[in-house]
Amino acid sequence: SQQGEEDPQALSIQEGENATMNCSYKTSINNLQWYRQNSGRGLVHLILIRSNEREKHSGRLRVTLDTSKKSSSLLITASRAADTASYFCATPSTGNQFYFGTGTSLTVIP
Amino acid sequence: EAGVAQSPRYKIIEKRQSVAFWCNPISGHATLYWYQQILGQGPKLLIQFQNNGVVDDSQLPKDRFSAERLKGVDSTLKIQPAKLEDSAVYLCASSRNVGNIQYFGAGTRLSVL
Repeated sequence: SQQGEEDPQALSIQEGENATMNCSYKTSINNLQWYRQNSGRGLVHLILIRSNEREKHSGRLRVTLDTSKKSSSLLITASRAADTASYFCATPSTGNQFYFGTGTSLTVIP
Repeated sequence: EAGVAQSPRYKIIEKRQSVAFWCNPISGHATLYWYQQILGQGPKLLIQFQNNGVVDDSQLPKDRFSAERLKGVDSTLKIQPAKLEDSAVYLCASSRNVGNIQYFGAGTRLSVL
């Protein structure tokens, strides 16, 4: 069964606003990864945060990780219409099984 | 570098027929994954290979699904016989090693009628 769960399931914002989505997981992890999926396409890696890191930035993306709460958040600042996509967290466990969450569907309204 | 190649892009079959999907990972990537993604859901791992050995196939319906990765490079995923509930996108991904960043192919959209 999948161990990652994102919330909210769907998010709709105006262009220029910030979007925050969260991920919770169940077992110990080596790292946590966020991916984006545009409609009808494969997934694209966005950012990886290791289990000993608490925060990481990449361009307009900011990821936090709280291993005590088994949760992570992805913040997209100054959103654009092109950010419209589904966002998934993925957690390779220490057993090296790889699980994706159910995803957050983000709509950015121009 | 070339990305992950998958074929075919689309496949329509009738229930109880057989179907096979092919994946060519990025050169040098030891780990290969097959996922099933049903509309509106996240990818579900079916099988994970490390070179030509299976790391995890706990969610593979082994009565009808099979996969192989001969010589630790290309991989095929087969469904025999197909059921209506197998309609989904089948994604292949590869990574340098277990737990690393995954690179995805465009997927094969299967419709079972």
